[in-house]
Amino acid sequence: QKEVEQDPGPLSVPEGAIVSLNCTYSNSAFQYFMWYRQYSRKGPELLMYTYSSGNKEDGRFTAQVDKSSKYISLFIRDSQPSDSATYLCAMRGGGADGLTFGKGTHLIIQP
Amino acid sequence: NAGVTQTPKFRILKIGQSMTLQCTQDMNHNYMYWYRQDPGMGLKLIYYSVGAGITDKGEVPNGYNVSRSTTEDFPLRLELAAPSQTSVYFCASLMPSGNTIYFGEGSWLTVV
Repeated sequence: QKEVEQDPGPLSVPEGAIVSLNCTYSNSAFQYFMWYRQYSRKGPELLMYTYSSGNKEDGRFTAQVDKSSKYISLFIRDSQPSDSATYLCAMRGGGADGLTFGKGTHLIIQP
Repeated sequence: NAGVTQTPKFRILKIGQSMTLQCTQDMNHNYMYWYRQDPGMGLKLIYYSVGAGITDKGEVPNGYNVSRSTTEDFPLRLELAAPSQTSVYFCASLMPSGNTIYFGEGSWLTVV
């Protein structure tokens, strides 16, 4: 079992829909959970950051972490064509630990 | 505000050639990282450094070397390029007291 599992998609939804993206993980030492957005031929851009379990909301984006189930989610409300990108979940323990990434989900928002 | 800067952006190498990918950050971050990203895959950690003079291997270090002579710079060296090293390379940095890892724009490398 890989450390972080993420469905690569593609996931195609109509504009205005609610999008749900998910990752599961196996390493219970992970404490910091992030979602990165990556446009074609660009570097990953931090979208949401959550420490430990709980929810965090930022505009149209909501991140959820359930450490007991080792499951994290990103919800996008009122999706826009500009949200079309690859979304990478990432997580780390503490200290100098680097990030462990999922494979990324390719999201397409149809106008 | 430059952040993390990588050069070159694009490079084509012949098998067996050597090259160095440069990475510089101006945020005074102690921790720096090199990742590679293959098509349809997430990023995999190659090497990381917790400060000047200290480096350590990540998940996929074979075929690469790094050095960290200053806080700002963390170059990645490919000694004998192989087609399997065709990838996109990202440099990143983090403050010890912070939780946000900042990425550079990436370096696209093709080995032919």
